[in-house]
Amino acid sequence: AQSVTQLDSQVPVFEEAPVELRCNYSSSVSVYLFWYVQYPNQGLQLLLKYLSGSTLVKGINGFEAEFNKSQTSFHLRKPSVHISDTAEYFCAVSDPVGSNYKLTFGKGTLLTVNP
Amino acid sequence: SAVISQKPSRDICQRGTSLTIQCQVDSQVTMMFWYRQQPGQSLTLIATANQGSEATYESGFVIDKFPISRPNLTFSTLTVSNMSPEDSSIYLCSVALFGGSLEETQYFGPGTRLLVL
Repeated sequence: AQSVTQLDSQVPVFEEAPVELRCNYSSSVSVYLFWYVQYPNQGLQLLLKYLSGSTLVKGINGFEAEFNKSQTSFHLRKPSVHISDTAEYFCAVSDPVGSNYKLTFGKGTLLTVNP
Repeated sequence: SAVISQKPSRDICQRGTSLTIQCQVDSQVTMMFWYRQQPGQSLTLIATANQGSEATYESGFVIDKFPISRPNLTFSTLTVSNMSPEDSSIYLCSVALFGGSLEETQYFGPGTRLLVL
């Protein structure tokens, strides 16, 4: 079974600073990778995804992530954060071959952007 | 993407009662999923609900506690039965949409926030 590790449970940063949220997954022959964002008291919104092709994927709100197969990582980055980026970020993986597209989530990283 | 709605958006219930949560999608989808997010925790898959077949439950979840219906390709319900305070969670439905080469992405509803007293 797949597993996802988000190494940081909380990441505090100042506004306009760069940020990286780390995500590692257990290895598999093929994976689909996702980042979701959950704003306070809301549901999950898809931020970006890697299904195939270019390893650098760009998402909404200026976020991007890089798929690194050798390191089994899918870290999320943004060069300059805003206060409105304060939210919980979840990394998720699905195994399209073996698991009927079930998503396995990491425990989440709370990004807090301070003025 | 898909537009997904859930009803109710939140509820406060007494222990021992049951609550049925509805999930409506604006397009026909084969695969739907129900997740639970306990306070301060990540999401855990409860079951997969595909139209035309019985729901498939994950380890730790049983049909008697979480019966699911999937009457058509745009609708599903999850019932939380005989509730206890430990069932206080956010319950989310999601749908799997397929792009080229059957590449799949899941989209989530806004969630139902349940508090059991």
